[in-house]
Amino acid sequence: NAGVTQTPKFQVLKTGQSMTLQCAQDMNHEYMSWYRQDPGMGLRLIHYSVGAGITDQGEVPNGYNVSRSTTEDFPLRLLSAAPSQTSVYFCASSYGASGYEQYFGPGTRLTVT
Amino acid sequence: ILNVEQSPQSLHVQEGDSTNFTCSFPSSNFYALHWYRWETAKSPEALFVMTLNGDEKKKGRISATLNTKEGYSYLYIKGSQPEDSATYLCAPYPDSGGGADGLTFGKGTHLIIQP
Repeated sequence: NAGVTQTPKFQVLKTGQSMTLQCAQDMNHEYMSWYRQDPGMGLRLIHYSVGAGITDQGEVPNGYNVSRSTTEDFPLRLLSAAPSQTSVYFCASSYGASGYEQYFGPGTRLTVT
Repeated sequence: ILNVEQSPQSLHVQEGDSTNFTCSFPSSNFYALHWYRWETAKSPEALFVMTLNGDEKKKGRISATLNTKEGYSYLYIKGSQPEDSATYLCAPYPDSGGGADGLTFGKGTHLIIQP
């Protein structure tokens, strides 16, 4: 099993550009989520999904869109990148929402200039 | 947004010493408490998921206790080793009444083990 994979590992964008961060898992997990990590702020939840076709907002959803068309994939879209979105992004998955440990991907380091 | 406090923010411990740190969270609407270990340049890895008041879990030299009535959990490391150097994160998961929600992570305790 590859576990949770994320692409790309690094990305530089210019303000206003859009892009999609990819996340995939091969563990047949129903629950998937996106976090961003900023210095002094810890991990903050952006969006999450409890299964294919179902998504919801987390703590910091503004500027991001998600969809879940398959169990395996949970892409995160930046609609119009802003310097405030410079961060490290982690995708995670788990068997269920609450009582199950989350497995994290390796992260994507995004810089918006 | 849940208020999750971890203390101390950072901790320097001599190799071989034991240590512990705290996670405080709202005691109302509690469902589960997660602990993760996060090494530099890596991804967070799960240590424990705890749900019952009084629960105690152990993995090697690391153990955790849970008090849901007063809203805190302790993480203990016995006989610290250099490889224990990491940031330790806790994250409560609230009882959302049959719905679903996400984890709210604390800012972590950054542990440095000095040889």
